[in-house]
Amino acid sequence: NAGVTQTPKFQVLKTGQSMTLQCAQDMNHEYMSWYRQDPGMGLRLIHYSVGAGITDQGEVPNGYNVSRSTTEDFPLRLLSAAPSQTSVYFCASRKTGGGYGYTFGSGTRLTVV
Amino acid sequence: GENVEQHPSTLSVQEGDSAVIKCTYSDSASNYFPWYKQELGKGPQLIIDIRSNVGEKKDQRIAVTLNKTAKHFSLHITETQPEDSAVYFCAATPRGRGSTLGRLYFGRGTQLTVWP
Repeated sequence: NAGVTQTPKFQVLKTGQSMTLQCAQDMNHEYMSWYRQDPGMGLRLIHYSVGAGITDQGEVPNGYNVSRSTTEDFPLRLLSAAPSQTSVYFCASRKTGGGYGYTFGSGTRLTVV
Repeated sequence: GENVEQHPSTLSVQEGDSAVIKCTYSDSASNYFPWYKQELGKGPQLIIDIRSNVGEKKDQRIAVTLNKTAKHFSLHITETQPEDSAVYFCAATPRGRGSTLGRLYFGRGTQLTVWP
């Protein structure tokens, strides 16, 4: 089992560029989510999905899009990158139902210049 | 929504001493409280969790306590070692329905440094 795989690990974008952060899990987890981590801010939820075809917004969704066409994949799209989106992004997954801990990916460090 | 506060933001201890990190939550319906450890350059990793029907849980040198009345929970690490140095996050999950079920709300993290 690879767990949760995120690509790329590092990325530098210019303001206005678009890109997709990839996330894949092989644990057959229904629930997947994207967080961003900024110094002193903890982990903030961007978008999440409870299953294929179902997505919803978290705390900080502006500037990001998601889709969930398969159970395994949950890509995060930046439509027009801004310096405020410079952050470390984590994808996480878990089984549905209460009491199950998340498995996190190793993160993507994104810098927007 | 749920609001989780975590203290302290930084904590330094001598190797062998104990470390305690405290969190409070606002939603009395929250029923699941995990703790995550994040080492430098890595994603958070679940180290222990507790459900609202349990007051305390231990796993070797790590323990978590929960006080539902006061709405706070704590992480206790005994006999600390340099490899315990990391950022620790607490989280709470409200007893939601539908698509909100299982959402995690995180505290802002505690940087623990264990000096040899």
